[in-house]
Amino acid sequence: DAKTTQPDSMESTEGETVHLPCSHATISGNEYIYWYRQVPLQGPEYVTHGLQQNTTNSMAFLAIASDRKSSTLILPHVSLRDAAVYHCILRVANQGGSAKLIFGEGTKLTVSS
Amino acid sequence: NAGVIQTPRHKVTGKGQEATLWCEPISGHSAVFWYRQTIVQGLEFLTYFRNQAPIDDSGMPKERFSAQMPNQSHSTLKIQSTQPQDSAVYLCASSLEDTQYFGPGTRLLVL
Repeated sequence: DAKTTQPDSMESTEGETVHLPCSHATISGNEYIYWYRQVPLQGPEYVTHGLQQNTTNSMAFLAIASDRKSSTLILPHVSLRDAAVYHCILRVANQGGSAKLIFGEGTKLTVSS
Repeated sequence: NAGVIQTPRHKVTGKGQEATLWCEPISGHSAVFWYRQTIVQGLEFLTYFRNQAPIDDSGMPKERFSAQMPNQSHSTLKIQSTQPQDSAVYLCASSLEDTQYFGPGTRLLVL
């Protein structure tokens, strides 16, 4: 699986819209972009994923660049509960063999009141 | 939907003892994954089953670690002769197709 690059940390204030960037310049055509987040003492929580088109769900909006070399996870109106480490992960779709997720350091999002 | 269930949530063992960790995947999910998380190494893949068959154990330490999935409702990770360096949070995840959903983890401390 190709590598992703994320900033180590970002700071925000409650109510703001936060843009978390992820660079994946060597992404392959059959690789999904997955986002997970993790808070201390809990397992990673699935946020969203996409292949080519922008996606949206109750948690976030995922904007994928037209060349797919970067993506941005957009969190509208963040609250203190959104403070977490956010991981951007590439994963080959419909893998017949290994389907493991490879986690990097992620971006630590701090939210202040 | 109870999500992925892991038991126990915390386990303390003495060096040299055996530790067995349990995972109950989300009902209907066909794949189960085990990961290990430490501050130093981060979150690492250990092994994975699909339809109860072992598919990839490339992350499993060659000695003392074993995993099984005897039926579709649970998987176990067993560590024999535990060592202090085995102290970590062991995470289980399950998936139906591509998206993995994680449990809360078992925090293992080896004294």
